[in-house]
Amino acid sequence: AQKVTQAQTEISVVEKEDVTLDCVYETRDTTYYLFWYKQPPSGELVFLIRRNSFDEQNEISGRYSWNFQKSTSSFNFTITASQVVDSAVYFCALSLYNSNSGYALNFGKGTSLLVTP
Amino acid sequence: DAGVIQSPRHEVTEMGQEVTLRCKPISGHDYLFWYRQTMMRGLELLIYFNNNVPIDDSGMPEDRFSAKMPNASFSTLKIQPSEPRDSAVYFCASSLSGQRHGYTFGSGTRLTVV
Repeated sequence: AQKVTQAQTEISVVEKEDVTLDCVYETRDTTYYLFWYKQPPSGELVFLIRRNSFDEQNEISGRYSWNFQKSTSSFNFTITASQVVDSAVYFCALSLYNSNSGYALNFGKGTSLLVTP
Repeated sequence: DAGVIQSPRHEVTEMGQEVTLRCKPISGHDYLFWYRQTMMRGLELLIYFNNNVPIDDSGMPEDRFSAKMPNASFSTLKIQPSEPRDSAVYFCASSLSGQRHGYTFGSGTRLTVV
């Protein structure tokens, strides 16, 4: 079975603070993909990043960075110098192939981030 | 590319009525997924298709829900009869050859059953 846990339900920060969103996953498979999606107040799901299980290299994209550690089964997301526009719900998701759910995404419950001026 | 297109964006219906949600995936994508988002259960997979064939519908709540994909460019999710507990946001997503190329979500349909 696979599971994604986002222990932080809500986080509130003041603009320009750094914030890290935690994601812990469970799977027995060796081949899998991890994702982060952003859901702003408008409701759409916006793709942020995809990482496969064989690539533990951390990634930075502007103010966003991701730390993938297989040893702790974590795929954490950090926003540096947060801005009000970063306010959204962020979802971590796991995808792996199995005979039942194929390539479907399994989502965590999401972390609601509020950035105040 | 126009992305994944869902219609309608909002639907309000009375309990007992039939509701049909529509999805047009990205051209060339061979996987299509229907998800439901509620506050209580988060984002949950309802059903997915591969090359227009339903592969796994174990997430479909009950027989009131049905989904079809008559061709590569169109899918429907139907609820008959609808109930207030079906109120949720329904997302359609498509992908190419599994997860390697990511998943693209539509804007969702917000369904309210009164």
